[in-house]
Amino acid sequence: KAGVTQTPRYLIKTRGQQVTLSCSPISGHRSVSWYQQTPGQGLQFLFEYFSETQRNKGNFPGRFSGRQFSNSRSEMNVSTLELGDSALYLCASRYAVNTEAFFGQGTRLTVV
Amino acid sequence: SQQGEEDPQALSIQEGENATMNCSYKTSINNLQWYRQNSGRGLVHLILIRSNEREKHSGRLRVTLDTSKKSSSLLITASRAADTASYFCATLPPNNDMRFGAGTRLTVKP
Repeated sequence: KAGVTQTPRYLIKTRGQQVTLSCSPISGHRSVSWYQQTPGQGLQFLFEYFSETQRNKGNFPGRFSGRQFSNSRSEMNVSTLELGDSALYLCASRYAVNTEAFFGQGTRLTVV
Repeated sequence: SQQGEEDPQALSIQEGENATMNCSYKTSINNLQWYRQNSGRGLVHLILIRSNEREKHSGRLRVTLDTSKKSSSLLITASRAADTASYFCATLPPNNDMRFGAGTRLTVKP
């Protein structure tokens, strides 16, 4: 079956702009989590959605938001981009909360 | 915030040798998982060990979990150059999402 698909793979944006990233989970998986990965901070949890509801949220400012659609696809949005938002954004899907996570290849965001 | 801490931060060994990585965490957990990441790509799940398990094997991988010490170890036996990657432990606290450590960078020299 198809894996987790993230689009786009690469993105360059200017400070102050906003960006939307997309994640299509594995078919049948209702949980989608988002992570930000940077060399300095490692993998930081952003939020998790399950059946269109945000179930958990990490310690990120309100500029970071997300949503999940009825088909389990998820989007995350970052508004008023800052240079420090440059990172690899990873999406992971799970069948259930206590099961393994399957990751997409990530979206590499560069803010200039 | 990160939950786990891997040790060492970097490890360099020769092909055929064993590699051991450790993970310590702070809170109670439902399970602990190990993942591998190659050069800034997506993470690949390696093994999951539940809080009531002490040891688990998968091919050349062996994971142990000591909940009293809040620590886990990942052993890769007979390492290969293809095992070169970053390895992360991820803990799943009750009613929360997975939290990752900073990772161990493993280099296996041919």
